[in-house]
Amino acid sequence: DIQMTQSPASLSASLGETVTIECLASEDIYSNLAWYQQKPGKSPQLLIYYANSLNDGVPSRFSGSGSGTQYSLKINSLQSEDVSIYFCQQNYDSPRTFGGGTKLELK
Amino acid sequence: QVNLQESGPGLVKPSQPLSVTCSVTGYSITTSYYYWNWIRKFPGNKLEWMGYISYDGSIYYNPSLKSRISITRDTSKNQFFLQLNTVTTEDTAVYYCAADYGYTSFDYWGQGVMVTVSS
Repeated sequence: DIQMTQSPASLSASLGETVTIECLASEDIYSNLAWYQQKPGKSPQLLIYYANSLNDGVPSRFSGSGSGTQYSLKINSLQSEDVSIYFCQQNYDSPRTFGGGTKLELK
Repeated sequence: QVNLQESGPGLVKPSQPLSVTCSVTGYSITTSYYYWNWIRKFPGNKLEWMGYISYDGSIYYNPSLKSRISITRDTSKNQFFLQLNTVTTEDTAVYYCAADYGYTSFDYWGQGVMVTVSS
């Protein structure tokens, strides 16, 4: 199985700040990487697919980048509604696997 | 827009089977190239993809569950089903159904159903 290592596990940031979450795959996943946001009490929602494509309706302050084994999710100008857990997930090989999650809180 | 809704028991006894239903509206589960997935989230936030049944009825199970899992469907009701056999307390999780188009990212998710395994 492809292992997805996400960092940091938790993050505290201020409103308006820029935050970055990293995801490292155990082998090349050729940009087959998605990012999800899970708000408290809700199901995960797709933010980014194919490493850098923004899903419909997702604010432009979210962006994804990376290639090979290293990927990142960037949130510009942090808003209060961004408090969530964020997960990366690879679609390159089966079984599909997720990162351990990053819990984002407001400072 | 695809809408998914899970239903199932909140409590299952150890060694019993766990069964969850996903009811789909908005799209037929036989629509080409949709994949209908089961994903679970354990306490502590770990997510595990369990497997899928595709638009054409093909099935894939996560090898970690292969001996215990069964995914089936009823196309007349536009539903698909998860059965997990011989459960233990380690199967306590929120169970989600999710759809993806073309075996890519999970575009649509149900709201999830919490299943606790306890005697």
